[in-house]
Amino acid sequence: EPEVTQTPSHQVTQMGQEVILRCVPISNHLYFYWYRQILGQKVEFLVSFYNNEISEKSEIFDDQFSVERPDGSNFTLKIRSTKLEDSAMYFCASSDRTGYQPQHFGDGTRLSIL
Amino acid sequence: SQQGEEDPQALSIQEGENATMNCSYKTSINNLQWYRQNSGRGLVHLILIRSNEREKHSGRLRVTLDTSKKSSSLLITASRAADTASYFCATDVSDSSASKIIFGSGTRLSIRP
Repeated sequence: EPEVTQTPSHQVTQMGQEVILRCVPISNHLYFYWYRQILGQKVEFLVSFYNNEISEKSEIFDDQFSVERPDGSNFTLKIRSTKLEDSAMYFCASSDRTGYQPQHFGDGTRLSIL
Repeated sequence: SQQGEEDPQALSIQEGENATMNCSYKTSINNLQWYRQNSGRGLVHLILIRSNEREKHSGRLRVTLDTSKKSSSLLITASRAADTASYFCATDVSDSSASKIIFGSGTRLSIRP
């Protein structure tokens, strides 16, 4: 069964550094998402992306965050200047063409900010 | 209450018993979904019920939705050790064609052998 894959599985970064989290969604999916889960807390919606632009974003997704689909297969989340509170699991998800469909999640990237 | 609150927070049952988890939400929704998360892993979609549906089945799973009460329940019948996981309800509240899913805080289910 097709899977959403995320790399790296664990990223350790110094505070203030830029970090890029990478995702390869399921190949025929058109809707892409990023979520984060701070340890012990809820999974939180960050952003949805469709047709090469952001569809919706949450208040968490401020100017430090950006997303990109650089080459038709990868979907990236960039955090420009990381803060300690950015430490979390980041999950990528995708869904197929019709939207309002189940989302398929990757196993996440654990981001640790030192 | 917040959007997507599960009850109970934790549930421990004997293998073979049924497990029932409840979810309440506040706003109007497009659909409601249930996901499972094993420790250290991503979320696995279990079942989606649309706002105009009242009940849905998938294998050992049964989901109900009561939009008048803004609540849903997930029933897992004949539980197995492999069902041990956290279960989250998630409400799709998007205004656009892309989804915007709001997750609840989850129920930690433990199945005792």
